[in-house]
Amino acid sequence: KAGVTQTPRYLIKTRGQQVTLSCSPISGHRSVSWYQQTPGQGLQFLFEYFSETQRNKGNFPGRFSGRQFSNSRSEMNVSTLELGDSALYLCASSRLNPGNTIYFGEGSWLTVV
Amino acid sequence: SQQGEEDPQALSIQEGENATMNCSYKTSINNLQWYRQNSGRGLVHLILIRSNEREKHSGRLRVTLDTSKKSSSLLITASRAADTASYFCATDEAFFQGGSEKLVFGKGMKLTVNP
Repeated sequence: KAGVTQTPRYLIKTRGQQVTLSCSPISGHRSVSWYQQTPGQGLQFLFEYFSETQRNKGNFPGRFSGRQFSNSRSEMNVSTLELGDSALYLCASSRLNPGNTIYFGEGSWLTVV
Repeated sequence: SQQGEEDPQALSIQEGENATMNCSYKTSINNLQWYRQNSGRGLVHLILIRSNEREKHSGRLRVTLDTSKKSSSLLITASRAADTASYFCATDEAFFQGGSEKLVFGKGMKLTVNP
């Protein structure tokens, strides 16, 4: 069974641009979460979606947004990119039942120059 | 904010030796999960232990959980060079309204297994 799929895997953007990252969860998983990983801050929670509704949001500025579609696929968008947004962005999915494993994708490496 | 803290932050051992890493957390939890991350890659799930469990095994992995001390340990037995990676513990938040699955990660522990 396919795992969590994230696209693109690598991208380079210029300051001020915007970027959209995509995530396809494991088949049957309806909960999708996003995390940012940087050397300085480690792994930080961005947001969580279930049935197209945002259930929880981390402490990130409004430039970071996301959405989930009816097929559970999710996208996150970062507008007006800053150098500090350079990071590995990880998507995770689960069945949203107590005690369920949360699976991660390979991530999207974003470099802002 | 970081909830979990792995200890030690780095460990270098020889192949065949056992590796133990510890994780401490701050709030009540439902579950604690351990992940492995190879350089530049995503997180690979290793094992999940529920708050009402004290010990769990999976292959060469043994995880313990002490909710009274808010700590967990991951033991990798008979380590291999392929175990070289960063290891993270991650906890949820037991009393978050609506049952969010948000994970709070520790800073990670870098394990090097020398052939």
